[in-house]
Amino acid sequence: GAGVSQSPSNKVTEKGKDVELRCDPISGHTALYWYRQRLGQGLEFLIYFQGNSAPDKSGLPSDRFSAERTGESVSTLTIQRTQQEDSAVYLCASSSRRGKTGELFFGEGSRLTVL
Amino acid sequence: KQEVTQIPAALSVPEGENLVLNCSFTDSAIYNLQWFRQDPGKGLTSLLLIQSSQREQTSGRLNASLDKSSGRSTLYIAASQPGDSATYLCAVSTDSWGKLQFGAGTQVVVTP
Repeated sequence: GAGVSQSPSNKVTEKGKDVELRCDPISGHTALYWYRQRLGQGLEFLIYFQGNSAPDKSGLPSDRFSAERTGESVSTLTIQRTQQEDSAVYLCASSSRRGKTGELFFGEGSRLTVL
Repeated sequence: KQEVTQIPAALSVPEGENLVLNCSFTDSAIYNLQWFRQDPGKGLTSLLLIQSSQREQTSGRLNASLDKSSGRSTLYIAASQPGDSATYLCAVSTDSWGKLQFGAGTQVVVTP
């Protein structure tokens, strides 16, 4: 597609439920990133994919968080047994070595609210 | 550990004035620096990307400078308009694949 696409745009869930957030990067972008933005706070890095592998997952806050990427395209961020502190906007970005090296393009985000 | 600071945290100016937004970083070994704009409830829009070998980048009314040795970047927005009201974020990358460390942002309000 023309830009990074994320779904759902909004998700309300009950504490303890599992959620999946999806990211469709810009076609041909081999690098994909997940960030989290809590209300009133800055962006926190979660995980980075290069192709289908994740060389840096240092930002995942706990083992309840996991992510995968298949076919060097779509990525899914899964949060198990959600907690209220997981409420945030989850932003996905993609990047390519072609053109402006290292420029990241972000999606609109998935807003997660845990009740 | 790289830390990115943006000053001021908030800024209000009348329409037509020039905007000056500051960003500082503690580790000068950066690959690039990127400025973003974020509107309420929206994702981030890339404004300018400056590679570590560059001193500045320009796009329309926007100009960003980079002084790697002093760990500073400045975003200038000329002749501000109400539509420029948003939060502006600075981010630095320490590798070619672009993992970014963000500042907390400067919230800008341009009054008509």
